[in-house]
Amino acid sequence: EAQVTQNPRYLITVTGKKLTVTCSQNMNHEYMSWYRQDPGLGLRQIYYSMNVEVTDKGDVPEGYKVSRKEKRNFPLILESPSPNQTSLYFCASSSTLTGTQYFGPGTRLLVL
Amino acid sequence: RKEVEQDPGPFNVPEGATVAFNCTYSNSASQSFFWYRQDCRKEPKLLMSVYSSGNEDGRFTAQLNRASQYISLLIRDSKLSDSATYLCVVNIPSGTYKYIFGTGTRLKVLA
Repeated sequence: EAQVTQNPRYLITVTGKKLTVTCSQNMNHEYMSWYRQDPGLGLRQIYYSMNVEVTDKGDVPEGYKVSRKEKRNFPLILESPSPNQTSLYFCASSSTLTGTQYFGPGTRLLVL
Repeated sequence: RKEVEQDPGPFNVPEGATVAFNCTYSNSASQSFFWYRQDCRKEPKLLMSVYSSGNEDGRFTAQLNRASQYISLLIRDSKLSDSATYLCVVNIPSGTYKYIFGTGTRLKVLA
């Protein structure tokens, strides 16, 4: 089954404690992306990757890091989480031919 | 001005009604356009891509007006199951490859 998986689905952490949210896709897509969704603000792009070892900033990259060492994986790293990073996070992937994005189920993060 | 704007709604319509949503975008370099559907805090799912000539998928019709920089979604014969938030998405590939989402329009179809 074609899918995008994210882990963990729910996470409660404290300010400053490094965390990683994993994202994996099995569709051999070149493009992967991370979004955060906040009430009234919609989905905002954090980082994206056009292919292995190619990443670029989206609209809200501050406080986040990513890496793309393999085509299927695109982890999101919060080196020192802060309460303003409490949000719902989605990973997505797409073929650059169609542009259609497929989303993971989301990760709800609460930073205390 | 936001790059992609949508009326947040909510649109409350009776079953069987026809409802239309508009979405405006500000960047004339935008090349690809999509409508996604999102159920309460779940992942967005593609409803349909929007093509220059307009396209239809069952009860759903999407239109693109490049001159006025807006896209539209028409839903005919609304079903209760159409209740969701509809997200307009624009892809800007020039230089970067970014997707810009509208904040969504909430639709509630009433029995």
